[in-house]
Amino acid sequence: DTEVTQTPKHLVMGMTNKKSLKCEQHMGHRAMYWYKQKAKKPPELMFVYSYEKLSINESVPSRFSPECPNSSLLNLHLHALQPEDSALYLCASSSQGKTYEQYFGPGTRLTVT
Amino acid sequence: SQQGEEDPQALSIQEGENATMNCSYKTSINNLQWYRQNSGRGLVHLILIRSNEREKHSGRLRVTLDTSKKSSSLLITASRAADTASYFCATASPYNNNDMRFGAGTRLTVKP
Repeated sequence: DTEVTQTPKHLVMGMTNKKSLKCEQHMGHRAMYWYKQKAKKPPELMFVYSYEKLSINESVPSRFSPECPNSSLLNLHLHALQPEDSALYLCASSSQGKTYEQYFGPGTRLTVT
Repeated sequence: SQQGEEDPQALSIQEGENATMNCSYKTSINNLQWYRQNSGRGLVHLILIRSNEREKHSGRLRVTLDTSKKSSSLLITASRAADTASYFCATASPYNNNDMRFGAGTRLTVKP
């Protein structure tokens, strides 16, 4: 199984809402990632978890809160977002061995109203 | 933050033609990867080339890497309409292979 799943596919939320994005993989990968992608732009790295520990935090605002409950799951908790946070949020995973290719999920299209 | 630039930003060719995309980066790297993204979807890994390699092939794909010029190129031969997508290069830090940064991307359109 080389699939990374993300839920929900689409999310519309108000600026006062609290919501969570979920990501799951069953490839035994020990690194998981969150990226943010605006239209016609490349993905921007937000967070990296390695062996369930946060290893990279790209100075992301605290209204985004990542969580890695176990090696297969990755969450992104959202609170008090701004309209400019509307984007495609991509989750990815990779092994920690000799190859570092990342496997991406289909993304969650987030709209903040 | 974005690692480098890609050119062209957009490329339109006829089916059967070859497509060449270029990528430049700014810092030292461990490896360079190319990904494809169909409109609004997740990225798909195409090929990885390590910093000590100069050329790599995979099917209709050919990637070159010139570390002295900090540049790479992706050649897609005998293009098909299904190759229509955005193509991104991504570089991994030599200090942390998990720290991967994407170039601006090339939007390829292959006309049938």
